[in-house]
Amino acid sequence: AQKITQTQPGMFVQEKEAVTLDCTYDTSDPSYGLFWYKQPSSGEMIFLIYQGSYDQQNATEGRYSLNFQKARKSANLVISASQLGDSAMYFCAMREGQGGSEKLVFGKGMKLTVNP
Amino acid sequence: DSGVTQTPKHLITATGQRVTLRCSPRSGDLSVYWYQQSLDQGLQFLIQYYNGEERAKGNILERFSAQQFPDLHSELNLSSLELGDSALYFCASSVAAAMGEDTQYFGPGTRLTVL
Repeated sequence: AQKITQTQPGMFVQEKEAVTLDCTYDTSDPSYGLFWYKQPSSGEMIFLIYQGSYDQQNATEGRYSLNFQKARKSANLVISASQLGDSAMYFCAMREGQGGSEKLVFGKGMKLTVNP
Repeated sequence: DSGVTQTPKHLITATGQRVTLRCSPRSGDLSVYWYQQSLDQGLQFLIQYYNGEERAKGNILERFSAQQFPDLHSELNLSSLELGDSALYFCASSVAAAMGEDTQYFGPGTRLTVL
């Protein structure tokens, strides 16, 4: 079974609008971390935001916030006030366990296009 | 700039050859991870080293090997290359904290093309 599911292959959004990128995950480990990365066309992987399974509040980093619904096993990324530079591939990833020696498992990613 | 460096940025070689990819982690990070990104397989974890020791292994082929040196830089060796090995290879590093976030920061990647 897939551990990370990103069902939207692509999305289009108008500049300055908010957009939500979906991510669902599957784990039986009570301790895990969820990450979002951005990959622009230049290829690098840029860390955006982290949510720990025990965190009481949803994570926020500037224009990025994570809508964490533990019971539904979803960790959707919300980008407020989209900018043209937000056009990129976005990957949701999970690390199971406490950290320190755990790999990241990535979803297939989704392509966001921001239109002017 | 994540602080993780990878060389070379691009590599073009022929089938059957051997190449070495190099990675320097962020200052202070003890753990190095290697990932492969291809169109058909997506992003796949290959191997992790922590302070010179192998810590975890993923879908790494026997033709591939890695090591982490005392100065914490790491090398990924790919041998007997096949067309299917063409991919973007990422190195990532983290402090490898036992608790908490332990974010992996990625280097710019090495794009390998096997002809």
